[in-house]
Amino acid sequence: AQSVTQPDIHITVSEGASLELRCNYSYGATPYLFWYVQSPGQGLQLLLKYFSGDTLVQGIKGFEAEFKRSQSSFNLRKPSVHWSDAAEYFCHCRGGSNYKLTFGKGTLLTVNP
Amino acid sequence: NAGVTQTPKFRVLKTGQSMTLLCAQDMNHEYMYWYRQDPGMGLRLIHYSVGEGTTAKGEVPDGYNVSRLKKQNFLLGLESAAPSQTSVYFCASSRPPVSGYEQYFGPGTRLTVT
Repeated sequence: AQSVTQPDIHITVSEGASLELRCNYSYGATPYLFWYVQSPGQGLQLLLKYFSGDTLVQGIKGFEAEFKRSQSSFNLRKPSVHWSDAAEYFCHCRGGSNYKLTFGKGTLLTVNP
Repeated sequence: NAGVTQTPKFRVLKTGQSMTLLCAQDMNHEYMYWYRQDPGMGLRLIHYSVGEGTTAKGEVPDGYNVSRLKKQNFLLGLESAAPSQTSVYFCASSRPPVSGYEQYFGPGTRLTVT
């Protein structure tokens, strides 16, 4: 069965520090992979996506993610976190030819001044 | 360009009452989705539609019905609300598969069933 695991429920970092949010997926083939961000009381906004090609993908707001097939991972990174990055982050996996859509349970990011 | 809009933003129902949530998108997307979000559960797909007049069940469809009479609208109905349906409901729309399924989300509807 398809699944997405975000091992960290809550992460706290200091402003200016680097960030890595982990995502592991379970799927029979290479899926479509996404990271979304949700600010309090808001809907989800796409940060970046991977379908094929270069395994390092760049997104909005200075985020990037790397697809590692051997580890079934799609971790999100940012070299220097800003206070405005405080939000909840969701990893999303989608099968290409079916409608199996799976979201991780989210990682809440707190940024200390 | 409003994107995806949802009506209403908040609603309180009593057990057994019915209601309809409306989702509208102005991006001419074929695909539309209804999710529910519960604390610690991420988003779970309720129903989806791949085009006008077509709908299909997602992961948690029980207790919900949907209709897609017009391409731009996707309605979610609760015929007899239960406290377990207290949740935040999100609608989304997406481009066709060749464009990669990127989803655009509405702002959500917070529903409380007492």
